[in-house]
Amino acid sequence: QLTQSPSSLSASVGDRVTITCRATLVISNSLAWYQQRPGEAPRLLLYSASILHSGVPSRFSGSGSGTDYTLTINNLQPEDFATYYCQQHYSVFRTFGQGTKVEV
Amino acid sequence: QVQLVQSGAEVKRPGASVNVSCKASGYTFDKYGISWVRQAPGQGLEWMGWINAHNGDTKYAHKFQGRVTMTTDTSTTTAYMELRSLTPDDTAIYFCARDTTTAVFFDYWGQGTAVSVSS
Repeated sequence: QLTQSPSSLSASVGDRVTITCRATLVISNSLAWYQQRPGEAPRLLLYSASILHSGVPSRFSGSGSGTDYTLTINNLQPEDFATYYCQQHYSVFRTFGQGTKVEV
Repeated sequence: QVQLVQSGAEVKRPGASVNVSCKASGYTFDKYGISWVRQAPGQGLEWMGWINAHNGDTKYAHKFQGRVTMTTDTSTTTAYMELRSLTPDDTAIYFCARDTTTAVFFDYWGQGTAVSVSS
C-alpha cells in the first residue's frame, strides 16, 4: 500500500513543491510518478524513483529509498497544476497512491 | 510515435459485460505488455491487470480475478479487456497503457474509455 502526502496543496508559479509517497514495506526504489491533468490520461514522469522519463522537463525530480520517496517540482509552471500519483513497481501487482492535487 | 487508441464509450446494464479495445501503433507490439487501469468519477487510479503481448501471460489484481479477461491479438496489434458481471461501482474511465514485458511501469496511455453502468 502507498500513502501520499499531502492529499492536496496550494502553490504559486515559481514555487518548489514536494510530494511524499510512503510504502508499507521496502520497495527498493521501484517507484514511478505520474501527472494527470483534468480530462486527460496520466503521463509518466519518473520511474525507478529517480529516472526521468523521456521528454519530461528537468524541473521534475525524484528521490528516496526504502519505504519513503519524494517527488520535487522546482520552479512550478502553470501547466504543472495537476494531480500526481505514485505507483510501486516492486510487485507485479501494481498499486497507486491516492493522489496529490496541486492547486493554485 | 507510440499511440494507443481505445474504443468508444459504453453504457451497460448491471449484470452485463463490457469489452474495451486498445489499438497500438508506433512500436513493436509483442515486445511490450499492456496494463489496464481504471478511474472512477472523482477518484484515483486503480490497476486492474497486465498482459504480456509476447506470450499472453496475464496477472490480474485480486479484486478482479474471475471477472476480468485480458487478451491481445498480435496480428492487429490490439489489446482487449472484458469485464463481466458489471455493477454501478464499475462506472469509470478505463485506460490501457503500454507496460513492459516484466510488468513495471506505464509509459504511454490510451485516451480512456468511459463505461457507465446503470439500470
